[in-house]
Amino acid sequence: DAGVIQSPRHEVTEMGQEVTLRCKPISGHNSLFWYRQTMMRGLELLIYFNNNVPIDDSGMPEDRFSAKMPNASFSTLKIQPSEPRDSAVYFCASKSAGLAGRTDTQYFGPGTRLTVL
Amino acid sequence: SQQGEEDPQALSIQEGENATMNCSYKTSINNLQWYRQNSGRGLVHLILIRSNEREKHSGRLRVTLDTSKKSSSLLITASRAADTASYFCATFDSGTYKYIFGTGTRLKVLA
Repeated sequence: DAGVIQSPRHEVTEMGQEVTLRCKPISGHNSLFWYRQTMMRGLELLIYFNNNVPIDDSGMPEDRFSAKMPNASFSTLKIQPSEPRDSAVYFCASKSAGLAGRTDTQYFGPGTRLTVL
Repeated sequence: SQQGEEDPQALSIQEGENATMNCSYKTSINNLQWYRQNSGRGLVHLILIRSNEREKHSGRLRVTLDTSKKSSSLLITASRAADTASYFCATFDSGTYKYIFGTGTRLKVLA
């Protein structure tokens, strides 16, 4: 298995531009998570999906952020318009189904390092 | 905001020594997990301990859980330079169904 795949690995853009981050979860996993990591705030859960349905988006910082999961093998995180304070590493993670506590291991992708100038 | 807090924030030891990291949390949990993050990489799952367990071993890793104190510790024995990384605890809040990661401990093992 290739693991969780994220693209691009690095993104440099200018303030005001739209940014789209992509994630392909591990085949067979039914939960997908988007995280943001910065030195100041650490690792923050932005949103997670269960069976392609958004379950909790309370971590999404503001309306400029949106996430979709059109099918079980693909998700996007979009920032429009981007701002310098959005600069961070964005991780996607997935996990398989099961009772909470039995299959809670999340598998992380390599991350996308976003720099907004 | 992060509810899990690791202690210490940073730790520097010599190769061969043991490294102990602690994690405190605030809510009721089903389990607690420890992850490792090498520089520039994603997090990698190390070990999971359930709320009804008190201690668990995996290779050179030993994890303890004290639900009465809402704390856990991760012990890495006979550390190696390759253990240099950040270590995070993570909990699943059974009340809110939220996954919460701690602030992390940066471990540096000197050869």
